[in-house]
Amino acid sequence: GAGVSQSPRYKVAKRGQDVALRCDPISGHVSLFWYQQALGQGPEFLTYFQNEAQLDKSGLPSDRFFAERPEGSVSTLKIQRTQQEDSAVYLCASSYFTGIIYNEQFFGPGTRLTVL
Amino acid sequence: SQQGEEDPQALSIQEGENATMNCSYKTSINNLQWYRQNSGRGLVHLILIRSNEREKHSGRLRVTLDTSKKSSSLLITASRAADTASYFCATGQGGKLIFGQGTELSVKP
Repeated sequence: GAGVSQSPRYKVAKRGQDVALRCDPISGHVSLFWYQQALGQGPEFLTYFQNEAQLDKSGLPSDRFFAERPEGSVSTLKIQRTQQEDSAVYLCASSYFTGIIYNEQFFGPGTRLTVL
Repeated sequence: SQQGEEDPQALSIQEGENATMNCSYKTSINNLQWYRQNSGRGLVHLILIRSNEREKHSGRLRVTLDTSKKSSSLLITASRAADTASYFCATGQGGKLIFGQGTELSVKP
């Protein structure tokens, strides 16, 4: 079966541009997570959806970051007016987690964003 | 913000040797997970240990958890060149994962 897919794999943006990153989770996975990973660091949590509901967005670094999952499947992470400090790998993960039993998360390959 | 610290930051060993990585965390947890990341396969789940467990095995992997010391260790036995990767511990909190900084393991053939 297909794993988590993300597109584009690489994105170069000029400072000030808006970008949209897409995540296709594993079919049937209730939960979807976005993480940001800077070079040489561990991933840092951004936001979490359970179906279409965004239950936790505490990790979003600023109001320039916005995520949605309108039909409880595909998710989009949008970054407005990109800044150089937004350069990182953005990872999407999905899992069966429903808020009760913890289990592993399956990660996509990530989108490497470079802001010039 | 990162949850904890991993030790060592980098480890270089010969094929066949054992590798031990340690992880410390700060808050109470429901579970602790170990992940591996390399350029070929991205971030892959290795093993999950729940807060009421003390030790868990999976193939060549052995994980321990000491909640009183807020620490965990990952032991890889009989290492192979293919084990070369970065290893991260992550604590589960409200569904999300809080990752450490990672240990970069290099296994030389």
